[in-house]
Amino acid sequence: NAGVTQTPKFQVLKTGQSMTLQCAQDMNHEYMSWYRQDPGMGLRLIHYSVGAGITDQGEVPNGYNVSRSTTEDFPLRLLSAAPSQTSVYFCASSYSQGGVYEQYFGPGTRLTVT
Amino acid sequence: DAKTTQPNSMESNEEEPVHLPCNHSTISGTDYIHWYRQLPSQGPEYVIHGLTSNVNNRMASLAIAEDRKSSTLILHRATLRDAAVYYCILRYSRSGGSQGNLIFGKGTKLSVKP
Repeated sequence: NAGVTQTPKFQVLKTGQSMTLQCAQDMNHEYMSWYRQDPGMGLRLIHYSVGAGITDQGEVPNGYNVSRSTTEDFPLRLLSAAPSQTSVYFCASSYSQGGVYEQYFGPGTRLTVT
Repeated sequence: DAKTTQPNSMESNEEEPVHLPCNHSTISGTDYIHWYRQLPSQGPEYVIHGLTSNVNNRMASLAIAEDRKSSTLILHRATLRDAAVYYCILRYSRSGGSQGNLIFGKGTKLSVKP
């Protein structure tokens, strides 16, 4: 199993550009989520999904869109990038949202918006 | 709101045991106690989780107080590779809604001295 994969590893955007961060998992996990981590801070939840076709907002959803058309993929779209979105983005997955299951994280995408 | 309280930082000597405390005085009966760690420049990785009984795995042990208002992550012999930020997080037992999401606090930064 590859686990949770994220592409790209690094990205530089100009203010106002849009892009999609890709996330895929091959563990048949129902639950997937996106976090951002700013320097010296803990992770903050952006959006999550409890299954294909179902998404919901987390703590910091503004400026981001998600969709979940398949179990495997959960892309994160930045509609119009802003310098405040400079961060490291982590995707994660879990068999279920329930507490008995652990969550697996991808290696992250480092995004810089100039 | 983070529902757990951890010390900001701790130090340990290599090959000695480390006890990382976590207070969760408002824990509900349906919350699992999860521990994750984040090595420098990496995504978080699962360490261990439990509900009421103490738990052991190849990475660590989790000791849960009888009233469940606190827990301790035990690394039996710290190595330099264990230097990381350790997060204690409560996760609701069932899927659905937002309670099953992992909400990260600032964690405890563990330093290991040779």
